[in-house]
Amino acid sequence: AQSVAQPEDQVNVAEGNPLTVKCTYSVSGNPYLFWYVQYPNRGLQFLLKYITGDNLVKGSYGFEAEFNKSQTSFHLKKPSALVSDSALYFCAVRALNDYKLSFGAGTTVTVRA
Amino acid sequence: NAGVTQTPKFQVLKTGQSMTLQCAQDMNHEYMSWYRQDPGMGLRLIHYSVGAGITDQGEVPNGYNVSRSTTEDFPLRLLSAAPSQTSVYFCASSYSTINTGELFFGEGSRLTVL
Repeated sequence: AQSVAQPEDQVNVAEGNPLTVKCTYSVSGNPYLFWYVQYPNRGLQFLLKYITGDNLVKGSYGFEAEFNKSQTSFHLKKPSALVSDSALYFCAVRALNDYKLSFGAGTTVTVRA
Repeated sequence: NAGVTQTPKFQVLKTGQSMTLQCAQDMNHEYMSWYRQDPGMGLRLIHYSVGAGITDQGEVPNGYNVSRSTTEDFPLRLLSAAPSQTSVYFCASSYSTINTGELFFGEGSRLTVL
């Protein structure tokens, strides 16, 4: 069975500081990995994905994520956080041969001015 | 182009009642799915479909039925509502079954079962 762990329920950072949201995964074989963001009372929005290739992937709104196979991690990063980045972030994984996408419990990011 | 449309946005049911949450997409997506979101548990997959006439179960299918008679529509039926089904429900679609991780989500349907 595949699963995702987001070890931090909340992350608080000051505007302009680097932001990191942690994610580790478990899946049989090679993973497809994703990050989504959810603003209050809205559906989830796709941010970025890792399928294969370069371990550092870039996505929307200045976010990037680093795939580390040995640590089974896919941490989301942003060099300089904005107040508007405050939201709920979800990491997700699926196996190559499976249609099902499994989500983590989510991490609430608060960026203070 | 409306994307993924869910109705209703809010619903209150009594225990034992049945209802259908509607989901429609106008992007000609092959893959459609239903998730429920509960605090501290993230999103859990209820049912999914890889094309018209094809459905399958996700992690938490009990108490729910789906059908996919057309590419556009993927309704979720609650057969006999229970308080444990109080949740926010999201419909999501993807343009191909190869790329089912990159999902487009609806705005959600908040269901309360009393």
